[in-house]
Amino acid sequence: ELKVEQNPLFLSMQEGKNYTIYCNYSTTSDRLYWYRQDPGKSLESLFVLLSNGAVKQEGRLMASLDTKARLSTLHITAAVHDLSATYFCAVDRGYGGATNKLIFGTGTLLAVQP
Amino acid sequence: NAGVTQTPKFQVLKTGQSMTLQCAQDMNHNSMYWYRQDPGMGLRLIYYSASEGTTDKGEVPNGYNVSRLNKREFSLRLESAAPSQTSVYFCASSGTPPTEKLFFGSGTQLSVL
Repeated sequence: ELKVEQNPLFLSMQEGKNYTIYCNYSTTSDRLYWYRQDPGKSLESLFVLLSNGAVKQEGRLMASLDTKARLSTLHITAAVHDLSATYFCAVDRGYGGATNKLIFGTGTLLAVQP
Repeated sequence: NAGVTQTPKFQVLKTGQSMTLQCAQDMNHNSMYWYRQDPGMGLRLIYYSASEGTTDKGEVPNGYNVSRLNKREFSLRLESAAPSQTSVYFCASSGTPPTEKLFFGSGTQLSVL
């Protein structure tokens, strides 16, 4: 059974600091996704990582995927308040190929303090 | 610029009542999904439709039925609501996996008393 674990579950950080969110998953997959959710809102796609060693960057966020370690990281550089949200990673169950049947992690609530 | 539209946004039911959540997308996507989100948990897939006329169970299908009415619409029905179905429900759609990301609707907050 595919399980997806994120840590930390809650992260309070100061503006200007760097930090990393980790996403581990339990079975083989080479398709991992990162989403952002603002309080009371829907989910917004951030990154799609489709191969070992994939790295994607947008603004202060950078995501990477190591399929051998079954690990993805979301690195935050010089955090700003606008990045405060809950971040989810999700892995494709991929029965017989890519399906977009995603298993989500429990999410990391990020609070950026001034 | 609508994307994925869900109705209703809020609903309160009594145990045993039935209701249908509606979802429509205007992006010509083949795949549509229903997820539920519970506090402290990620999203869990209820049902999935790869194309018009096809549906498939996800992680937590019990107590739900779905209909892919046409390419645009994918509805979720609770035949006899239970308190355990209190949750936020999200509909999503995507083009062809794996490169296509999911686009989510704004969610339905459902309370079953």
